[in-house]
Amino acid sequence: GEDVEQSLFLSVREGDSSVINCTYTDSSSTYLYWYKQEPGAGLQLLTYIFSNMDMKQDQRLTVLLNKKDKHLSLRIADTQTGDSAIYFCAETAGGFKTIFGAGTRLFVKA
Amino acid sequence: NAGVTQTPKFRVLKTGQSMTLLCAQDMNHEYMYWYRQDPGMGLRLIHYSVGEGTTAKGEVPDGYNVSRLKKQNFLLGLESAAPSQTSVYFCASRPDRGLSMNTEAFFGQGTRLTVV
Repeated sequence: GEDVEQSLFLSVREGDSSVINCTYTDSSSTYLYWYKQEPGAGLQLLTYIFSNMDMKQDQRLTVLLNKKDKHLSLRIADTQTGDSAIYFCAETAGGFKTIFGAGTRLFVKA
Repeated sequence: NAGVTQTPKFRVLKTGQSMTLLCAQDMNHEYMYWYRQDPGMGLRLIHYSVGEGTTAKGEVPDGYNVSRLKKQNFLLGLESAAPSQTSVYFCASRPDRGLSMNTEAFFGQGTRLTVV
């Protein structure tokens, strides 16, 4: 069945770049997403990429997609303490369900 | 815009008690979902609905029931709560834009449930 995997923790220093990685198994995935969850809150969409793209940039965020390896990454440039949160990778094959990874908790040290 | 609203935000139940979690969305979305979030396990889908009057089982449906009598509301019921149901519950909704369109999911703030 479909599965999305990501590492559970990442720690970076303020000002450095963060790279959060994700792998997925569903080769028919059409959209891949990154959601951000701040403490005590629900998930909010950060960015997404369509499966026919291999890169998308949005200000400090860069999403890279390697469809052959089914690997998705999120790079946050100039990481700030406000970026500390849990980041969820998710995919949908266009059906009713969105499959989420377990979430990567990003710690940003001042 | 209210978006997706969940009530209550917190609840403590005794084993065997029942309760209903309410999710309301004001965006006229067709699809609604209930997830539970547990440490290290991400979001697991409990039940979902693709329209008013419809419900379907997700990944972890046992011990839960749902109803979607009105398009804007999706209720999650626990008939006899167990400690294993201690979790944070999230409701989400998204529009139906066909299979080829991106459809972002909108989440509620979560309900923290503790069963003792």
